[in-house]
Amino acid sequence: DTGVSQNPRHKITKRGQNVTFRCDPISEHNRLYWYRQTLGQGPEFLTYFQNEAQLEKSRLLSDRFSAERPKGSFSTLEIQRTEQGDSAMYLCASSFPTGQGTTNGYTFGSGTRLTVV
Amino acid sequence: GESVGLHLPTLSVQEGDNSIINCAYSNSASDYFIWYKQESGKGPQFIIDIRSNMDKRQGQRVTVLLNKTVKHLSLQIAATQPGDSAVYFCAEIPPGNQFYFGTGTSLTVIP
Repeated sequence: DTGVSQNPRHKITKRGQNVTFRCDPISEHNRLYWYRQTLGQGPEFLTYFQNEAQLEKSRLLSDRFSAERPKGSFSTLEIQRTEQGDSAMYLCASSFPTGQGTTNGYTFGSGTRLTVV
Repeated sequence: GESVGLHLPTLSVQEGDNSIINCAYSNSASDYFIWYKQESGKGPQFIIDIRSNMDKRQGQRVTVLLNKTVKHLSLQIAATQPGDSAVYFCAEIPPGNQFYFGTGTSLTVIP
């Protein structure tokens, strides 16, 4: 296992189009998180899953955004009718549940950079 | 050199000097904290973590100090190297919750 993998690394799309990103977490981790990061800012929480259950969603996650983790392994994040304000780095992370082990191993992928033109 | 998160978001140090990056967290219920390093175009990379039942933890060239009384976290990097140049974020994790990041501090190491 080489860590958290995200695809694609870069995506350029026209405003109004739909896009989908994929995240493959570390296989032993049952928690998976999606974050969004704009230039010069820290990552902002979007949503997270424990196994296949989506346990929390941020107010940032508008109804144009949907995330799935159907089998409790990989996850997809879809943005419908993209807007220029959606341009950002979308980061995925995975971990053990908080409190288990000496470290929870919150590990990030390299992200998908979305540019909406 | 020393920096305080939002007030001094950039820090420049000479190669070989020690660096101190500070972070103020907001939630007194947070019981787990992580420092991340992020290089341009890459995802955040785990550096070191600490739980709230500790006030100090050391790694290789890095030390994290936690002061729960004033909700303050610091990252000390010994003998700073050019490869340490990056943006550093602290993250706080309340029990059973996802983690929250600060704005970050940009560290530049001058050769």
